[in-house]
Amino acid sequence: GAGVSQSPSNKVTEKGKDVELRCDPISGHTALYWYRQSLGQGLEFLIYFQGNSAPDKSGLPSDRFSAERTGGSVSTLTIQRTQQEDSAVYLCASSLWGGRADEQYFGPGTRLTVT
Amino acid sequence: KQEVTQIPAALSVPEGENLVLNCSFTDSAIYNLQWFRQDPGKGLTSLLLIQSSQREQTSGRLNASLDKSSGRSTLYIAASQPGDSATYLCAALNSGYALNFGKGTSLLVTP
Repeated sequence: GAGVSQSPSNKVTEKGKDVELRCDPISGHTALYWYRQSLGQGLEFLIYFQGNSAPDKSGLPSDRFSAERTGGSVSTLTIQRTQQEDSAVYLCASSLWGGRADEQYFGPGTRLTVT
Repeated sequence: KQEVTQIPAALSVPEGENLVLNCSFTDSAIYNLQWFRQDPGKGLTSLLLIQSSQREQTSGRLNASLDKSSGRSTLYIAASQPGDSATYLCAALNSGYALNFGKGTSLLVTP
């Protein structure tokens, strides 16, 4: 079946512009995660959605970052007033229930470059 | 805060060798540990998931072990092939839902 998909695959934007990154989880998965992979920093957690529960936003680095998940499926990560340090690969993952025994399945990522 | 370390950072081996990748974590109160593979410019592919109650998992030529008490996991790759060349990441799940990742081991298998 189809895996996690993300769009766009690459995004180049000018400093100060807003960007939106999209994630389509695996059909039937109720949990969705966003991570960021920066050069030299490794992978870091950003935000977690599970069903209709309030999201866990504890990993968002600043209030310029926000995310929503509509209809319990597609998610959009928005970065306002982008800065050069936002340049990274943004990875989305989904899992069946979001439980602690769940395996997380990752999408191919969106490479964001802020010039 | 959970700290995950992977050693070595890079490894080059000739084809056919058996090899071991190491992962250590500071907080042993994990729910599970997951090993991933990442090819250049690509996302993460899940290889093996070990629950906290398990000691090891096997898939084909891959075997992952978990020793919670010592805070260690190893990924064993048997009879390595050039197609195994990639970055291997381990990630531990503690409280909450966020995986804590190591920085990876970059593996090159030469023909």
